[in-house]
Amino acid sequence: EAQVTQNPRYLITVTGKKLTVTCSQNMNHEYMSWYRQDPGLGLRQIYYSMNVEVTDKGDVPEGYKVSRKEKRNFPLILESPSPNQTSLYFCASSQLTSYEQYFGPGTRLTVT
Amino acid sequence: LAKTTQPISMDSYEGQEVNITCSHNNIATNDYITWYQQFPSQGPRFIIQGYKTKVTNEVASLFIPADRKSSTLSLPRVSLSDTAVYYCLVGDVNTGFQKLVFGTGTRLLVSP
Repeated sequence: EAQVTQNPRYLITVTGKKLTVTCSQNMNHEYMSWYRQDPGLGLRQIYYSMNVEVTDKGDVPEGYKVSRKEKRNFPLILESPSPNQTSLYFCASSQLTSYEQYFGPGTRLTVT
Repeated sequence: LAKTTQPISMDSYEGQEVNITCSHNNIATNDYITWYQQFPSQGPRFIIQGYKTKVTNEVASLFIPADRKSSTLSLPRVSLSDTAVYYCLVGDVNTGFQKLVFGTGTRLLVSP
């Protein structure tokens, strides 16, 4: 089954404790992206990647890191999480020439 | 990237046809119009895309007038399960579609 998976689905952590949210897709898509969604603010792009070893900042990259060492994986790293990073995070992937992005199930992160 | 404007919310009743209009006055020649649907706590899901005139699939229809400065997503005979947020996006995969901002979309509420 074609899908984007994220882990963990729920995470509660404390300020400053490094964490990684994994994202994996099995559709051989070149493009992958991370979004965060907050009430009243819609979906905002954090980082995106057009291919392996190619990443670029989205609209809200501060406090986040990403890497794209393999085509299927695109982890999101929070080196020192802060409460303002409490949010619902989505990973997405697509072919470079497609308008159809496939989204993961989301990761709800709470930083206390 | 073309800016889009759509209503913040709409209400409907089961069995009715719902039309959500999106305004995109500065759409570029090569831009396509794409609509996504998002249920609470789930990632957005691609519904339909189009360039001009009318496109129909098993879920919805997309009407695009000749000047392409607006588009209308039509949902026939909505049910309670169509309650969701609908996003209109305009862009070209060859020139940065992947960086598009989803915005806050149109929140559709379908009542019995």
